[in-house]
Amino acid sequence: NAGVTQTPKFQVLKTGQSMTLQCAQDMNHEYMSWYRQDPGMGLRLIHYSVGAGITDQGEVPNGYNVSRSTTEDFPLRLLSAAPSQTSVYFCASKKGRSRDYEQYFGPGTRLTVT
Amino acid sequence: TQLLEQSPQFLSIQEGENLTVYCNSSSVFSSLQWYRQEPGEGPVLLVTVVTGGEVKKLKRLTFQFGDARKDSSLHITAAQPGDTGLYLCAGARDTGNQFYFGTGTSLTVIP
Repeated sequence: NAGVTQTPKFQVLKTGQSMTLQCAQDMNHEYMSWYRQDPGMGLRLIHYSVGAGITDQGEVPNGYNVSRSTTEDFPLRLLSAAPSQTSVYFCASKKGRSRDYEQYFGPGTRLTVT
Repeated sequence: TQLLEQSPQFLSIQEGENLTVYCNSSSVFSSLQWYRQEPGEGPVLLVTVVTGGEVKKLKRLTFQFGDARKDSSLHITAAQPGDTGLYLCAGARDTGNQFYFGTGTSLTVIP
């Protein structure tokens, strides 16, 4: 199993550009989520999904869109990038919505918006 | 405003010393998790505690969930260089759909 994979690993965008961060998991997990990590602030939840076709907002959803058409994939879209979106983005998955399931994280995407 | 505050933010100690990291909140959580993250990688789960007052041990690491389920601590005995990393606590408030992460503690163990 590859676990949780993310592409790209690094990305530089200009203000106003759009892009999609890719996330895939091969563990047949129902629950997937996106976090951003900024210095001194830990990780903050952007969006999450409890299954194909079902998504919901986390703590910091503004400026980001998600969709979940398959169990395996959960892409994160930035429609118009802003410097405040410079961050490291992590995708995670777990078997189901229960708090008792272990959450597995991908290696992250480091995004810089100039 | 972070729901979970960790202290200290940075910690540098000598190999063999003991240390404690704290995770505090004014909110009640249904469960509390601790993760370790190494540079360039995603966090890896160490433990989950779900009952107020619960204590779990993982080799040299001891985790405690406060009686009121608002705080937690991580104690490391005889720290080793391999313990170096960023330690994060994370709390779930109800169903487990949303986890709130702490501000993180960066630990460096000097050989």
